[in-house]
Amino acid sequence: QVQLQESGPGLVKPSQTLSLTCTVSGGSISSGSYYWSWIRQPAGKGLEWIGRIYTSGSTTYNPSLKSRVTISLDTSKNQFSLKLSSVTAADTAVYYCARASPMSLRSGELSYFDYWGQGTLVTVSS
Amino acid sequence: DIQMTQSPSSLSASVGDRVTITCRASPSIRSYLNWYQQKPGKAPKLLIYGASTLQSGVPSRFSGSGSGTDFTLTISSLQPEDFATYYCQQSYTTPFTFGPGTKVDFK
Repeated sequence: QVQLQESGPGLVKPSQTLSLTCTVSGGSISSGSYYWSWIRQPAGKGLEWIGRIYTSGSTTYNPSLKSRVTISLDTSKNQFSLKLSSVTAADTAVYYCARASPMSLRSGELSYFDYWGQGTLVTVSS
Repeated sequence: DIQMTQSPSSLSASVGDRVTITCRASPSIRSYLNWYQQKPGKAPKLLIYGASTLQSGVPSRFSGSGSGTDFTLTISSLQPEDFATYYCQQSYTTPFTFGPGTKVDFK
């Protein structure tokens, strides 16, 4: 059974960099063909996809955050990480890491988030 | 970005009721549509992927249908554990986007 667990500071000062790590257990992060994603949710609001990293290390980011986001993979620790720079109060949210499983269709590739971490609240405040 | 909308934004229902939630995408996303259930303080849980395929372990009272721009999630007989918020999500193209959610609560 795959499990994901987020970790990192719960409080970040404005203009600094938010750093979170997702530790994967129950399977190797470098085996199989999966996308490892970060998703966030401000309190009482909806879900926003931040970006993903493929098993190969290739990344795709949400254009709305692209200039500030870096997602990386550490296969030796079975972890992947999120860095979000120049944070403001608008970045306060619960941050989730998730695994996306791809499925090939005739028309392309469908993916769906089948495993999620429990989420970690990050507050941006001085 | 592909825009996702859901209706209603909330609904009140009773145990045993049939519940239908609608999700609309603009533009078309073929069948690249997933549904999630989220309870307070918990991560979302995958219910349905590819518009109509039930995720393993999800009760058969949940079903999904639709393609193109219009999709529905149906709960055939609402159970106490189904009171939650439901989100649709498109995986047709990045950036992946979610609907704003439909909250199902007790009548």
